Amino acid sequence: GAVVSQHPSWVICKSGTSVKIECRSLDFQATTMFWYRQFPKQSLMLMATSNEGSKATYEQGVEKDKFLINHASLTLSTLTVTSAHPEDSSFYICSATTGLSNSPLHFGNGTRLTVT
Amino acid sequence: GESVGLHLPTLSVQEGDNSIINCAYSNSASDYFIWYKQESGKGPQFIIDIRSNMDKRQGQRVTVLLNKTVKHLSLQIAATQPGDSAVYFCAEFSQSGGSYIPTFGRGTSLIVHP
Repeated sequence: GAVVSQHPSWVICKSGTSVKIECRSLDFQATTMFWYRQFPKQSLMLMATSNEGSKATYEQGVEKDKFLINHASLTLSTLTVTSAHPEDSSFYICSATTGLSNSPLHFGNGTRLTVT
Repeated sequence: GESVGLHLPTLSVQEGDNSIINCAYSNSASDYFIWYKQESGKGPQFIIDIRSNMDKRQGQRVTVLLNKTVKHLSLQIAATQPGDSAVYFCAEFSQSGGSYIPTFGRGTSLIVHP
């Protein structure tokens, strides 16, 4: 079945540094990728929708200059958390789909970000 | 496609019982639905899907029911096992601006007691 690989699975960084998270679709072309943030015992919060070759669409309240998203190819999207602060510590999850009607949405295994 | 970060409702069952997890969706134009299972510290995993031209679909130990009249989706798990303990999300898919966008339900935390 379709697989989405997310890397790294866990990262600890110092406050003020930037962290890049990669999301790869391994066996299908992901026209659309989504980035979510999830706090403990809460549901997924959509941060942005990324279509290959175009700028990401950010949800209200998500700072696009802080959470940089690049979707340069049909198999790779990256989320860069710039100038990270402790409040950015969270579980970040990507998902990918071909964008076709009735096409399943596949998730990566998430990245646990801890900012110290 | 936005979902709100709310604390999750919980369903507790005994091992061997059947579990029913419910989801109310919002968009009558949604034509595709998926149930996901998310274990602690992992990303959501696809369980079963259903298209809007169906009202029931069965998988291994799982059944999804779709009632379009009241915009309700349910996931039934037969003979629930401790390994079924997880958070379960429903997702509805609809066309939006040329893209096929998912919207997630709140999620339900299923706890299975041995």
